[in-house]
Amino acid sequence: AQKITQTQPGMFVQEKEAVTLDCTYDTSDQSYGLFWYKQPSSGEMIFLIYQGSYDEQNATEGRYSLNFQKARKSANLVISASQLGDSAMYFCAMRVDRDDKIIFGKGTRLHILP
Amino acid sequence: NAGVTQTPKFRILKIGQSMTLQCAQDMNHNYMYWYRQDPGMGLKLIYYSVGAGITDKGEVPNGYNVSRSTTEYFPLRLELAAPSQTSVYFCASRTEQGLNSPLHFGNGTRLTVT
Repeated sequence: AQKITQTQPGMFVQEKEAVTLDCTYDTSDQSYGLFWYKQPSSGEMIFLIYQGSYDEQNATEGRYSLNFQKARKSANLVISASQLGDSAMYFCAMRVDRDDKIIFGKGTRLHILP
Repeated sequence: NAGVTQTPKFRILKIGQSMTLQCAQDMNHNYMYWYRQDPGMGLKLIYYSVGAGITDKGEVPNGYNVSRSTTEYFPLRLELAAPSQTSVYFCASRTEQGLNSPLHFGNGTRLTVT
């Protein structure tokens, strides 16, 4: 069975600093995808970034990048130059290629301090 | 450009009552999902569907039922509501193309059972 672990329930970061949100996963499958979603206080879920298990380069989307370390089974989200609007819950999720289920971690609540 | 639409936004039920949470998507996505979000617990998969007429259980299906008679609609039925079903419910959909297809979420239904 697959599992996603996010060990940081909450983080406080000064505005303009970079922040790393941790995500480790467990699967015996070789082909899988990892996703990060943002949930602001308004409640909607926003897709941020995707990393495939066979992607040779770390994914980047604007200020978001993914530090993918396959051997360690980690897929940490890095937000550069944090902004007040980055304050939100962040969820890591995974789907393996042979399955249609998408599972989520418990999330990390990020607070950006002015 | 509606995307995934959930109704109602809020609902209060008494213990033992039943209700249906509605979910509709206009993106012609075959894959649809129901999640519940409890504080500090992330998103847990209740049921999912890979196409009209096909549904399958997720991580926490007990107390719920689903149907998928058309591509567009994926209602979630609660029979004999219990306080443990107090949660925020999210419906989501995705295309079937590629491991990298992200979930598109509705705005959620906040359900309280008292």
